[in-house]
Amino acid sequence: DVKVTQSSRYLVKRTGEKVFLECVQDMDHENMFWYRQDPGLGLRLIYFSYDVKMKEKGDIPEGYSVSREKKERFSLILESASTNQTSMYLCASSLGLATGSSPLHFGNGTRLTVT
Amino acid sequence: SQQGEEDPQALSIQEGENATMNCSYKTSINNLQWYRQNSGRGLVHLILIRSNEREKHSGRLRVTLDTSKKSSSLLITASRAADTASYFCATVPNSGYSTLTFGKGTMLLVSP
Repeated sequence: DVKVTQSSRYLVKRTGEKVFLECVQDMDHENMFWYRQDPGLGLRLIYFSYDVKMKEKGDIPEGYSVSREKKERFSLILESASTNQTSMYLCASSLGLATGSSPLHFGNGTRLTVT
Repeated sequence: SQQGEEDPQALSIQEGENATMNCSYKTSINNLQWYRQNSGRGLVHLILIRSNEREKHSGRLRVTLDTSKKSSSLLITASRAADTASYFCATVPNSGYSTLTFGKGTMLLVSP
């Protein structure tokens, strides 16, 4: 079974702090994704990566950056956390191109609160 | 940008009843996927149906796809309390390289 592990289940940070959310997958998947999930807004794609050191902006990249130095690890970085970034963050991975033929495998999420 | 929209937003039924959730989307697609999310957890992939398929089964799940109406439905038969979760459809537009876009989900509550 594919395992996608997010380093923290709950995180509380202060406004202005730099925040790192880590995600590791163990199935040698090419693609990795970061989504945020908010009530009434559903899942929105922040960034994704289809290869090591490659990254692409999703629908809401502002205020975020990502890093993919190794195939199995995809980090989401909040350069200067703000209260409107309080959310559930979900990491996912998939095999091959995400053209709808590859299911996404999700981690259990990190619930981030910025105070 | 929202591609798929689920209907209803919330559904409450008794154990043993069937649950039907619908998904409508806007542009042509290659495939459509359904996911399930238990409260406070990540999403789990349930089933994928390709644009040239009309119906697909997996255990108690039955998914239909009508590309002419740009809609899909997920039927859970003989529901159980453990089926309580949110259910999402996800699509990738049939145009170039693109990623899965999720709807806002249907919250299903199955009461014992």
